[in-house]
Amino acid sequence: EAQLVESGGTLVNPGRSLRLSCSGSGFTFGENAMSWIRQAPGKGLEWVGVIRSLDYGGTTEYAASVKGRFTISRDDSKSMAYLEMNNLKTEDTAVYYCSRHRDGHDYWGQGTLVTVSS
Amino acid sequence: DLVMTQSPRSLPVTPGEPASISCRSSQSLLHTNGYHYLDWYLQKAGQSPQLLIFLAINRASGVPDRFSASGSGTNFTLTIRRVEAEDVGVYYCMQALQTPLTFGGGTKVEIK
Repeated sequence: EAQLVESGGTLVNPGRSLRLSCSGSGFTFGENAMSWIRQAPGKGLEWVGVIRSLDYGGTTEYAASVKGRFTISRDDSKSMAYLEMNNLKTEDTAVYYCSRHRDGHDYWGQGTLVTVSS
Repeated sequence: DLVMTQSPRSLPVTPGEPASISCRSSQSLLHTNGYHYLDWYLQKAGQSPQLLIFLAINRASGVPDRFSASGSGTNFTLTIRRVEAEDVGVYYCMQALQTPLTFGGGTKVEIK
């Protein structure tokens, strides 16, 4: 059974940086695109970005709201994906999910909460 | 960016009765490969979202067959043939045709 586990969420001051991690198991991690999706408190889902598999160049795409501040990377040898978040803003406060993007986003982690506040 | 619009925003349902949710996109979701890149997700209270439908009409693994979906172009529908109490939650459609991927605003399904 495929499983994704996020970690790294915490309370952070505006302007600071944070790195989230996503650990995958139960599937061939390197063969899949991995997305980050977030949900602000009481709000809907917002796609943050994606990193494609190395077979598709390992390229990344980002939402306009995070482009230039957030970076997605992967280490397939460790079955890990990462979300590096710089210059955090209060509006980045959300639960961050990683998800496998195959036929739809078919596996999701439990999410990790990032709170940006002074 | 593609804009996804769901209706209704809230849907009170009676167990055993059917229910439908509509999702409209600002542009056609038809890819040149013939598939419509539209997915449906359900987020139950306190849980991560779960995939129900991918490529507009395909049930994900483990999804009960009371869930079905249809549509083409810009108009899509998710139907629950006979609602059960465990189906309550917020339903989202999402377009995967182009980045940025975008979600509808959600439809909250609750028992009357």
